[in-house]
Amino acid sequence: EDKVVQSPLSLVVHEGDTVTLNCSYEVTNFRSLLWYKQEKKAPTFLFMLTSSGIEKKSGRLSSILDKKELFSILNITATQTGDSAVYLCAVGPRNYGGSQGNLIFGKGTKLSVKP
Amino acid sequence: NAGVTQTPKFRILKIGQSMTLQCTQDMNHNYMYWYRQDPGMGLKLIYYSVGAGITDKGEVPNGYNVSRSTTEDFPLRLELAAPSQTSVYFCASSLTSGEQYFGPGTRLTVT
Repeated sequence: EDKVVQSPLSLVVHEGDTVTLNCSYEVTNFRSLLWYKQEKKAPTFLFMLTSSGIEKKSGRLSSILDKKELFSILNITATQTGDSAVYLCAVGPRNYGGSQGNLIFGKGTKLSVKP
Repeated sequence: NAGVTQTPKFRILKIGQSMTLQCTQDMNHNYMYWYRQDPGMGLKLIYYSVGAGITDKGEVPNGYNVSRSTTEDFPLRLELAAPSQTSVYFCASSLTSGEQYFGPGTRLTVT
């Protein structure tokens, strides 16, 4: 069965700390892994990874994929209170009737950054 | 360009009532999706559509129905609301596979 497992489920850090969030997956026909940030409302897109070993970076956030070991990490350096959110990992595609657009989501990691 | 819009933002239903959650996107995306998100859980796919006139079941379709008469609209229908349908519902769209754009969500309570 296709699945995505994120760890830890929750994390509390102080401003300035560096955090690493983990995502492991088992998907029959892997195409891409995506990271989303969810604050109070809808998930917003962070990164999409398709190739092993190539780091994607956006400001203090970075992510890398290991297709051999079937996992990805999301790093946040110099954390700020505004980084507090649930971080979702999603892998696609999951085949429902052959559609190539579906994603399977992990349960998320809830990050709380204290001042 | 509004992206993905959903109405209503909040709704309280009594058991057995029916309602339709509306979803519209203005990005000309072929793919549209309905997810539900329960506390502490990830997003579970209810139904999806790969284009106008084409819909299919996702992981948790029971108790729901959809239609896709236009590219822009993808309404989700609850026929006989049950407490187990209390959740936050997100609509999303994508051009092809990969990045999905999410609407703001509808918080539904069934009592």
